[in-house]
Amino acid sequence: DTGVSQDPRHKITKRGQNVTFRCDPISEHNRLYWYRQTLGQGPEFLTYFQNEAQLEKSRLLSDRFSAERPKGSFSTLEIQRTEQGDSAMYLCASSLAAVSEQYFGPGTRLTVT
Amino acid sequence: QQQVKQSPQSLIVQKGGISIINCAYENTAFDYFPWYQQFPGKGPALLIAIRPDVSEKKEGRFTISFNKSAKQFSLHIMDSQPGDSATYFCAASMEGAQKLVFGQGTRLTINP
Repeated sequence: DTGVSQDPRHKITKRGQNVTFRCDPISEHNRLYWYRQTLGQGPEFLTYFQNEAQLEKSRLLSDRFSAERPKGSFSTLEIQRTEQGDSAMYLCASSLAAVSEQYFGPGTRLTVT
Repeated sequence: QQQVKQSPQSLIVQKGGISIINCAYENTAFDYFPWYQQFPGKGPALLIAIRPDVSEKKEGRFTISFNKSAKQFSLHIMDSQPGDSATYFCAASMEGAQKLVFGQGTRLTINP
């Protein structure tokens, strides 16, 4: 399978715990995006990378959120001190820098209890 | 100005009918308008996309109509099938593969 992959697919955690999600983009894509989607809503942009550089962060990305793409390949999204409001689907997408088509992974469903 | 407004919120169409979903935007700097299809528990899948230099794009049963002056675009699904039942999102972005701004989504149900 050559699409975007995300791991884990589901994560249940208790409030206050830290969680980390991984995204592997399509291999030749140098742009990688993170979005968050709550039930019944469209995805909302969080941040994006071109290669290893983080080029934009949304105001939605509070200080408890950090994203990395250390070698310009896979990316991780960490949420520290999780809150119930962090419960959502976290989506990763990738694209070639020169074109706009973004391809999404299956998402990681986070439930904070 | 970054918003994309989508309607209707939900839509029921008989099998074989035409499904029409509409979106409107304010930011004239948007130059790329994709539509995504999402099934429950899955990530959004790119269906079809258009740029403002054309007024219509067709791929199979899916057509985007684009009205630049009205800042509106719509998705038409011809000969709608039960397998088309899903949530559809319109989106927009500015030049250079920047972030997508999504509409609120339309839950489409095709009755057999």
